[in-house]
Amino acid sequence: DGGITQSPKYLFRKEGQNVTLSCEQNLNHDAMYWYRQDPGQGLRLIYYSQIVNDFQKGDIAEGYSVSREKKESFPLTVTSAQKNPTAFYLCASRETSTYNEQFFGPGTRLTVL
Amino acid sequence: EDKVVQSPLSLVVHEGDTVTLNCSYEVTNFRSLLWYKQEKKAPTFLFMLTSSGIEKKSGRLSSILDKKELSSILNITATQTGDSAIYLCAVEEARDDKIIFGKGTRLHILP
Repeated sequence: DGGITQSPKYLFRKEGQNVTLSCEQNLNHDAMYWYRQDPGQGLRLIYYSQIVNDFQKGDIAEGYSVSREKKESFPLTVTSAQKNPTAFYLCASRETSTYNEQFFGPGTRLTVL
Repeated sequence: EDKVVQSPLSLVVHEGDTVTLNCSYEVTNFRSLLWYKQEKKAPTFLFMLTSSGIEKKSGRLSSILDKKELSSILNITATQTGDSAIYLCAVEEARDDKIIFGKGTRLHILP
């Protein structure tokens, strides 16, 4: 049963705390992406990775960090430097050899209290 | 700066109507344009367009790309309440493989 999983589904954190969102895929895709979605804002690219041990900043990378130590995993850390972290976070992956569409995970809703 | 602009941002129609959603883009090295439907959580793929003037069709949905005008339209005929969703347009930039999304069009179909 191939796909992308994200955990947790809902996450609450206090101001000033770092938090890590998990994204795992078993589709054997090379590229993985993190997006943030706010009401009326569509999807904004945070970070993306085309290959293991390499990643690039997207349009809104400030206050976030990522790692890509394994092909199937691309965790996103929301740091205390992120001024307004409450949002819906979506992870996606795709096969770069064929440049087909992205597949999305179910998302994590982060709320900062 | 690369960008994708969708219009309208919001649309309300009655069941049975036909709707046209628009997407325009400014991208340095265009590779493809993609349409997604988002109902509750994860967006689901609708179409990928790479060639100008070739219509892609799936049931009541169709889409076409105009590379000269840097735009695409998504048509939905005989709309149903199940078509209510956010429709997202995305463009892939070939130089660094970035995929940039527009803000989406929120479509609501009234019974």
